Amino acid sequence: EAGVAQSPRYKIIEKRQSVAFWCNPISGHATLYWYQQILGQGPKLLIQFQNNGVVDDSQLPKDRFSAERLKGVDSTLKIQPAKLEDSAVYLCASSPRGAGGTDTQYFGPGTRLTVL
Amino acid sequence: AQKITQTQPGMFVQEKEAVTLDCTYDTSDQSYGLFWYKQPSSGEMIFLIYQGSYDEQNATEGRYSLNFQKARKSANLVISASQLGDSAMYFCAMREGGTGGSYIPTFGRGTSLIVHP
Repeated sequence: EAGVAQSPRYKIIEKRQSVAFWCNPISGHATLYWYQQILGQGPKLLIQFQNNGVVDDSQLPKDRFSAERLKGVDSTLKIQPAKLEDSAVYLCASSPRGAGGTDTQYFGPGTRLTVL
Repeated sequence: AQKITQTQPGMFVQEKEAVTLDCTYDTSDQSYGLFWYKQPSSGEMIFLIYQGSYDEQNATEGRYSLNFQKARKSANLVISASQLGDSAMYFCAMREGGTGGSYIPTFGRGTSLIVHP
């Protein structure tokens, strides 16, 4: 079974530029998560999708971040315009149901973003 | 207030010894889940173990066990017979109820474990 795929693995941009990250979850997984992990900290949930609907985006800075999950499969996270403090690893995860219990999240390798 | 607290920024352990990584949590939900993940220097997050709030027995997965003390709201990870490959960051996480029946995950700041030969 293929794992969660993310691209690109690394991205360097200048502040005020735009950037997009792509995630393909494990086949059949209903729930998809985007996290931001700043160096030295734990992952912070940005947005959670159940199929193609948003479950929670309370910590997503909506003035600059946007995310979509078309057709309930893969997802794109965009930052426009980027700020220096957006430098972080962006992790994508998926889980089968998102309905609690032992609904384990499986993570992708992450995208390391550096904003100069 | 922090929902997940990991008070040990770094821990050292001798190879083949056991080590306990601390985690306390804060929730008013009756139904929640607690997870531990390992993050090696390569960056991937690896699921280790899960404990449900209604589970009466402590979870075990191979060399990993979760010391669940519900009244104290603690969910410590115990690694027995440490190996050099256990050196990594360890994150405690909780899923608690959100809107619409979904569960929202929260992670702690992590504990760095170094295993000495």
